[in-house]
Amino acid sequence: AQTVTQSQPEMSVQEAETVTLSCTYDTSESDYYLFWYKQPPSRQMILVIRQEAYKQQNATENRFSVNFQKAAKSFSLKISDSQLGDAAMYFCAYRSAGLDMRFGAGTRLTVKP
Amino acid sequence: DGGITQSPKYLFRKEGQNVTLSCEQNLNHDAMYWYRQDPGQGLRLIYYSQIVNDFQKGDIAEGYSVSREKKESFPLTVTSAQKNPTAFYLCASSPRATGENQPQHFGDGTRLSIL
Repeated sequence: AQTVTQSQPEMSVQEAETVTLSCTYDTSESDYYLFWYKQPPSRQMILVIRQEAYKQQNATENRFSVNFQKAAKSFSLKISDSQLGDAAMYFCAYRSAGLDMRFGAGTRLTVKP
Repeated sequence: DGGITQSPKYLFRKEGQNVTLSCEQNLNHDAMYWYRQDPGQGLRLIYYSQIVNDFQKGDIAEGYSVSREKKESFPLTVTSAQKNPTAFYLCASSPRATGENQPQHFGDGTRLSIL
């Protein structure tokens, strides 16, 4: 069964600094997709970034980027120039063919001014 | 604006009572999903539907029921058989169930509590 593990229940970062959130997953599939979602206090789930497993190039969306290591089954999220609005729960998610999404337990990010 | 609307935002259930959570989307998405979120845990799939009049159980379907009579609507009923229903419930949709690269779009959620 596919599982997603986020080993950091909580992280904190100073405003304007960089932080990396970790995610590992377990799968026997070769084709799949990975996602990072942000859940602010409003509780709405917002897509941050996605990565296709067949692409070697790491995805980037403005201040957000990933470090995708397929062999290691690792998918970390890097947030550069952290802002107060980045404070939220962050969930890593996995999806393969015909499958619903599998979510990690989440990492709560605090941004200190 | 297109999106997913969940109602109510807060819901209270009495012992032995069934309650229904509403989820409506105007994104013309084929697939719809219900998740349960408990503190300290990620989202767990309750039910999902790929097309109208068809749905499948997720990981924690016991004590829940759904229907998909219209493409836009996917209501979730929490039955009295669900002994620990207090949680945050999220509804989601995506363009195609097999569109693996398509992210799921989420509603704002319903918080269900026991009276």
